[in-house]
Amino acid sequence: GIQVEQSPPDLILQEGANSTLRCNFSDSVNNLQWFHQNPWGQLINLFYIPSGTKQNGRLSATTVATERYSLLYISSSQTTDSGVYFCAVERNFNKFYFGSGTKLNVKP
Amino acid sequence: SQTIHQWPATLVQPVGSPLSLECTVEGTSNPNLYWYRQAAGRGLQLLFYSVGIGQISSEVPQNLSASRPQDRQFILSSKKLLLSDSGFYLCAWAPDRIYEQYFGPGTRLTVT
Repeated sequence: GIQVEQSPPDLILQEGANSTLRCNFSDSVNNLQWFHQNPWGQLINLFYIPSGTKQNGRLSATTVATERYSLLYISSSQTTDSGVYFCAVERNFNKFYFGSGTKLNVKP
Repeated sequence: SQTIHQWPATLVQPVGSPLSLECTVEGTSNPNLYWYRQAAGRGLQLLFYSVGIGQISSEVPQNLSASRPQDRQFILSSKKLLLSDSGFYLCAWAPDRIYEQYFGPGTRLTVT
């Protein structure tokens, strides 16, 4: 299967700070998603971004498929941004592979 | 709009007992459906996926099975639970041929 590596594994921020999360993958993929898992375990879709750049409020994401990485930017972080951020890639239709996540703690 | 339901939310079962977790999707037809397991503090592992009624693909050989008796219903089962089956089980759906997944709230299973 495809190896998906996320960095950093843990991140502590002061409220208002900016951050960049990275997702590297070992082979070409058809699709890529970013998720936020809240403290109750719910996985929330952030971006569906097989290539290019998207923005949604304080969050934006960029995927460079030819170089096999994606970046998630969080600006002006808030305590509600805390949780685990996952990158998931899809190849060969319906075979999804998740990274091990970045655990973010935003302190007030 | 589409919604996905899972139940129960939490479950505590003894070793050797059977298991049935249910997932249903509303507001769409012919979805792709998925079962994942998440061990504590780790990423998600794809267990099964289905592209239609009665069509199940298994990704990981294990003590579990899946069935899709109706278009928008996906069931995860076991005849005899093992301690290693404990975890957080998540169901997801994606539109047909558009592989953008949406997750349900999950079931926390503890096997004692």
